[in-house]
Amino acid sequence: DGGITQSPKYLFRKEGQNVTLSCEQNLNHDAMYWYRQDPGQGLRLIYYSQIVNDFQKGDIAEGYSVSREKKESFPLTVTSAQKNPTAFYLCASTTRGDSNQPQHFGDGTRLSIL
Amino acid sequence: GENVEQHPSTLSVQEGDSAVIKCTYSDSASNYFPWYKQELGKRPQLIIDIRSNVGEKKDQRIAVTLNKTAKHFSLHITETQPEDSAVYFCAASQRGSYIPTFGRGTSLIVHP
Repeated sequence: DGGITQSPKYLFRKEGQNVTLSCEQNLNHDAMYWYRQDPGQGLRLIYYSQIVNDFQKGDIAEGYSVSREKKESFPLTVTSAQKNPTAFYLCASTTRGDSNQPQHFGDGTRLSIL
Repeated sequence: GENVEQHPSTLSVQEGDSAVIKCTYSDSASNYFPWYKQELGKRPQLIIDIRSNVGEKKDQRIAVTLNKTAKHFSLHITETQPEDSAVYFCAASQRGSYIPTFGRGTSLIVHP
């Protein structure tokens, strides 16, 4: 069954700690994305990657970092520089082609501060 | 860049009524407009999409209309049911741009 898997489902961060959210897809999609979702604010783009070993900042990249060493994987690190990390984080992917296609989303990771 | 406005932010209807959610976009080069449904605590899922060469698309109780001249597109849900209660997001993107711009979402509540 193809899809996107995010882990963990819930994550708690202590002050000064970096935490990493995992995102894996077996859809053979080229493009992957990280979004942050806060109540009433929709989906805000953190980082995106269109090919392996390349990624770009989105609208709210400060305090976050990513890597794209494999096509299937796009982990997100929430660093201690992100002072308000409590949110629901969604990973998504899509195929690249002649016409735009919808994004497929993971089940999300809910991050809270201890 | 593209800007997508979505209205209303909250919509409350009685079961069996119709619901309409409207989005406007700013970039005339946008040509792909998906709609996603997100149930509480779950992932957004595509429910319907439309491309700029089409004015309307239907799938059972759901339809989307696009007015390219006015730069707006709307989601129509007929005969609403309690399981339609969710947050709905619209999005817009240009051909060759794989970065969609999302609306802020509409919370639809269907009362039994």
